[in-house]
Amino acid sequence: GGIITQTPKFLIGQEGQKLTLKCQQNFNHDTMYWYRQDSGKGLRLIYYSITENDLQKGDLSEGYDASREKKSSFSLTVTSAQKNEMAVFLCASSTRDWGTYEQYFGPGTRLTVL
Amino acid sequence: AQKVTQTQTSISVMEKTTVTMDCVYETQDSSYFLFWYKQTASGEIVFLIRQDSYKKENATVGHYSLNFQKPKSSIGLIITATQIEDSAVYFCAMREDTGGADRLTFGKGTQLIIQP
Repeated sequence: GGIITQTPKFLIGQEGQKLTLKCQQNFNHDTMYWYRQDSGKGLRLIYYSITENDLQKGDLSEGYDASREKKSSFSLTVTSAQKNEMAVFLCASSTRDWGTYEQYFGPGTRLTVL
Repeated sequence: AQKVTQTQTSISVMEKTTVTMDCVYETQDSSYFLFWYKQTASGEIVFLIRQDSYKKENATVGHYSLNFQKPKSSIGLIITATQIEDSAVYFCAMREDTGGADRLTFGKGTQLIIQP
């Protein structure tokens, strides 16, 4: 088994601030993902990465940057936090080994912008 | 483009009964994979069960099973002998092969409330 950790658990920022969220996985999975979930809503894909130093845009990439410096970690940056923004950012990972495909999720980072 | 639709926003049932949550999907792929996930009140998202489109048998894991109706593009999740801890939001998802990676397209979720 493995685990995905996300830091910080709670993030409070100011309007216009640049904020960075971090994700680590020890599954040894190739692909990692960042999703945004707004209150009571579904998951929207922001960025994903199929290997170290690879980045692929999702459906909601505007306003975000991402970085995959090594296989086990994937960072997401909110380039300019929007006032009154509140959302949960979820990191996930997956592999194609053994035809598994399912994604495993971290506990999330809850963002509040004042 | 793929699409996943869950029309039931909320379902409430009594404990120990059976519940079915609906999901329909759209895809151009001849072979595809469907998943159900559970999100608890704490926000944790857990993978529950998966159906491969080329398999005729419905997948079963513990007290979760699927009702896969390929001609109707439908993949219902059935929970038998429900327990209070089954109260959660359930998401249906479909895998999209982007060539080098796998993306999931999620439905909007169905909130399940189990009443004692």
